Formats: sequence, structure tokens, C-alpha cells
Amino acid sequence: GEDVEQSLFLSVREGDSSVINCTYTDSSSTYLYWYKQEPGAGLQLLTYIFSNMDMKQDQRLTVLLNKKDKHLSLRIADTQTGDSAIYFCAESGKLSFGAGTTVTVRA
Amino acid sequence: DTAVSQTPKYLVTQMGNDKSIKCEQNLGHDTMYWYKQDSKKFLKIMFSYNNKELIINETVPNRFSPKSPDKAHLNLHINSLELGDSAVYFCASSQGGLADLTGELFFGEGSRLTVL
Repeated sequence: GEDVEQSLFLSVREGDSSVINCTYTDSSSTYLYWYKQEPGAGLQLLTYIFSNMDMKQDQRLTVLLNKKDKHLSLRIADTQTGDSAIYFCAESGKLSFGAGTTVTVRA
Repeated sequence: DTAVSQTPKYLVTQMGNDKSIKCEQNLGHDTMYWYKQDSKKFLKIMFSYNNKELIINETVPNRFSPKSPDKAHLNLHINSLELGDSAVYFCASSQGGLADLTGELFFGEGSRLTVL
């Protein structure tokens, strides 16, 4: 397919870690991105990783990249209610986002 | 200061009507886009303009006509609205074009269109 693939839904308890997975399509993509869409808003870039990296950490966020399997993941440590949103992965040079993963944080 | 702004935020109209959504960006970007997000949250590219020129048209019915009067504006006009056009439409912009798209897409807040 042309679009990235992600699980549609994830429910997580407040304070736990969330892991959102993505399978992308093009092994030559230079950058892989994670965007966050809060309710009633547009997408905002959350973080990204350059394709020659395996891991990137940014405060509570950890991005892991497995180029061989074309697999990208986003781990959110100590998940908070404000992390409830839709998370989209995306590849550089491609403009479609798929349906994203809707993360619901429960108390 | 809003980077990408679109109006109106909500639009409710009858089938068969013609409507427009406007978008403006004050980021000095060269490329602007229209996306459609359906009820299942699937976000699909519709059009892309680079410096006022259409560069991507993703199999969108010709009832949809984008217009870019200058590189800071990209408006979307929809003729003969159908029930299936109900969705949230997002405008976005980026510094580079598709070939060198390594940077961020900046999105507007969305325009929710409901066709009755």
C-alpha cells in the first residue's frame, strides 16, 4: 500500500508508558516523523528521526527506528491526560498520513 | 500570531450548494496543501501548490477547485456539494516542495464542513 500503517486505537493508564507503532513504506525515506493532533486542532510536529539513526530521545519521548523492517515506534513515558490525541507517523517526501493512532489516557 | 489560518472553522450547508474555504499562511512558505480528514480520521492529501502553481492533484473530483492568488493564500472552492464531502478540511504549508520535503508541515486548525 501507499500509506503508513498504524494500529487505530491505544488505551493507556495515566502514568504508564505508551508505545505507538508504525510500518512505513519507503526504505529510502530520509526522515520519519511523528505528528500529534489534539481534539479540534490541526497536526503539529512532535518529533522526527533521521534515517541513519536507530533511536532518538527527547524528554518523555523515545523514537525507535528499525530500517530493515521499516518499523518506527514512539514511546511516551509517564503518559499524561494531555497526551490524549491522534498520533500520525509520516515519511519525508510523502504527503499522506493514514488514519493515525488514537491514544486515550484513562485515570 | 496564527501561522496557518483558515476560515470558516465550521460550515453547514445543503447538498447542491457551492462553498469556499480560505487559507492564509504568514510563514513565507513556498508550498501549500489541502487535506481532507474523514470521519475515521484518515488524512488524505488533495492538492499541493508551489509558488501559486498546482503540483499535486490527487484524484479529486473536479467539483473541487483550488485557487492560489499568491503564494501566501490557497483557497478551496467546492461546487455542487454532496453528502460525502462532509469532512474536516485542513490547509497546510511547508518551506520546501515535495522533492525536498524534509521539514515540517504546518497545519491550520481545520474547517469542518457538514453537508445536509
